[in-house]
Amino acid sequence: DTGVSQNPRHKITKRGQNVTFRCDPISEHNRLYWYRQTLGQGPEFLTYFQNEAQLEKSRLLSDRFSAERPKGSFSTLEIQRTEQGDSAMYLCASSLPSGGFPGELFFGEGSRLTVL
Amino acid sequence: EDQVTQSPEALRLQEGESSSLNCSYTVSGLRGLFWYRQDPGKGPEFLFTLYSAGEEKEKERLKATLTKKESFLHITAPKPEDSATYLCAVQANDYKLSFGAGTTVTVRA
Repeated sequence: DTGVSQNPRHKITKRGQNVTFRCDPISEHNRLYWYRQTLGQGPEFLTYFQNEAQLEKSRLLSDRFSAERPKGSFSTLEIQRTEQGDSAMYLCASSLPSGGFPGELFFGEGSRLTVL
Repeated sequence: EDQVTQSPEALRLQEGESSSLNCSYTVSGLRGLFWYRQDPGKGPEFLFTLYSAGEEKEKERLKATLTKKESFLHITAPKPEDSATYLCAVQANDYKLSFGAGTTVTVRA
């Protein structure tokens, strides 16, 4: 399978614990995005990488959230001291260089987080 | 700030009963309008990109159109496998999509 891969698919944790999600993009895609989706809502932009550089972070990303993309390959999204409000589906997407024009985003199947 | 509003929230159709979904948007400098399909528990799947008013694109039973203020997704003679949530998104810069809340379509056989 050559699509975007996310792990784990489901994570249940207790409030206050740290969690980490991993995303493996499509190999030739140099752009990587994280979005968050809650029930009944559309995905909300969290952050964006071009190669290994994190170029944009949403105001939704509090100091408890950190994302990395070492060597411009896979990416991790860590949430520290989780809160119940962090419960959501975390979606990763990748795309080809757009040359200044919008590109098609390929989404993974998401990592669902439940904070008890 | 970009705003995307989709209507209706939910749509129940009989197989073969054509209908349209609406996506109205407010964005400064639209660079692209996207339609995605999302099945339960899965990530969104790309359907169309529209770049300018008057543009239309088709894929099987789906047709997307764009005006300066809204986009429509027409579903012609739907089948049960067309049941999904359809998401509309706008792109105003080089990287960020702003999504609407989606329209959940259920097609009964």
